[in-house]
Amino acid sequence: NAGVTQTPKFQVLKTGQSMTLQCAQDMNHEYMSWYRQDPGMGLRLIHYSVGAGITDQGEVPNGYNVSRSTTEDFPLRLLSAAPSQTSVYFCASSYSGSQGPEGGYTFGSGTRLTVV
Amino acid sequence: GESVGLHLPTLSVQEGDNSIINCAYSNSASDYFIWYKQESGKGPQFIIDIRSNMDKRQGQRVTVLLNKTVKHLSLQIAATQPGDSAVYFCAESSGGYNKLIFGAGTRLAVHP
Repeated sequence: NAGVTQTPKFQVLKTGQSMTLQCAQDMNHEYMSWYRQDPGMGLRLIHYSVGAGITDQGEVPNGYNVSRSTTEDFPLRLLSAAPSQTSVYFCASSYSGSQGPEGGYTFGSGTRLTVV
Repeated sequence: GESVGLHLPTLSVQEGDNSIINCAYSNSASDYFIWYKQESGKGPQFIIDIRSNMDKRQGQRVTVLLNKTVKHLSLQIAATQPGDSAVYFCAESSGGYNKLIFGAGTRLAVHP
């Protein structure tokens, strides 16, 4: 049981490049989310999904796309990288439960992205 | 690890003392709350959660208190240990529980 796995752990991009951050979970969780964390700040929600085939925008969705073709995977795509997207990105997943997530969200170890 | 919480408020406590970390939330419709611990270079780690139909919930060495009247959440850590040193975040969600919104965080520094 690996939990939430994010790849890569580190990435440097040039402005304008595109890339996909991978996230996979093996806990059969319905809910998955992407967050970014900037120094001195909390986590900000980018996109989230309540199940396969369903995604929605969070607080800071601009410049990012997501898809959820399977329960296990929730990739985050940067369409045209900008220096403002330099950040640490976290993926998280949770059970849905009858009243929402139970036991909180399980987070991956993060991807540190630098855009130059 | 990355520089998480460079300018966060810091709570300094002596080892063995009790710690209280506070969080004010803004959305009166929020009905699910979580406390997370984040160590340098790692992802947030779940500590304890509470739903809005409760005022208090206890875990191992931790207690979460919820005051909906003043929209305030607190995390109490008993007998604080050096391993408790980290940044602590509260998070809230409402309605479908699928949008978890985080607060800014508090750094806990435990001194021997």
